[in-house]
Amino acid sequence: ILNVEQSPQSLHVQEGDSTNFTCSFPSSNFYALHWYRWETAKSPEALFVMTLNGDEKKKGRISATLNTKEGYSYLYIKGSQPEDSATYLCAFFGSARQLTFGSGTQLTVLP
Amino acid sequence: EPEVTQTPSHQVTQMGQEVILRCVPISNHLYFYWYRQILGQKVEFLVSFYNNEISEKSEIFDDQFSVERPDGSNFTLKIRSTKLEDSAMYFCASSPLAGGPIGELFFGEGSRLTVL
Repeated sequence: ILNVEQSPQSLHVQEGDSTNFTCSFPSSNFYALHWYRWETAKSPEALFVMTLNGDEKKKGRISATLNTKEGYSYLYIKGSQPEDSATYLCAFFGSARQLTFGSGTQLTVLP
Repeated sequence: EPEVTQTPSHQVTQMGQEVILRCVPISNHLYFYWYRQILGQKVEFLVSFYNNEISEKSEIFDDQFSVERPDGSNFTLKIRSTKLEDSAMYFCASSPLAGGPIGELFFGEGSRLTVL
């Protein structure tokens, strides 16, 4: 059974703070690591798909890094805004050819 | 902007009844998926579908489950005889890449199934 873990489980930050969360995943049989942003009552929306060790991706104030050798990825949000409040999910895609999700990090940005 | 649509948004059914959940994936996508999330648990993979056949399925996807693409637009999940533990939010997703879910998935908003 694949283990994909995310921490912290939830996080409250003030508007303007920068924050980061962690996703850990198996370091073997790695194909890709996905990050999704999931707002309440909406559908999960892809942020990044990362495939290469050392990869860094950025979309506006959000960026992510990937370390496949040690099996972790960080998601960073710079200058958090209330509209960043959502659950952030990571998902591992390996040789089993199916996405295995973590439990998510629930971010609340307080105005 | 193209999106994945799912119906119904919420269905309540009695244990033992058959349920069909419907999805319209994005039109030029090639891979289709069903995931589910039981309340308080992780999102779980059920099945992937490509070229009119199942390409991968999880242990959850037993003989009670089936998928079909009856025409060029719909993708359905059937649960033959629902159990209490089938109560969950079911998500349909599609992907534009022939290489499978290496690329990002586009999710629908989900169908909540409640089995009484």
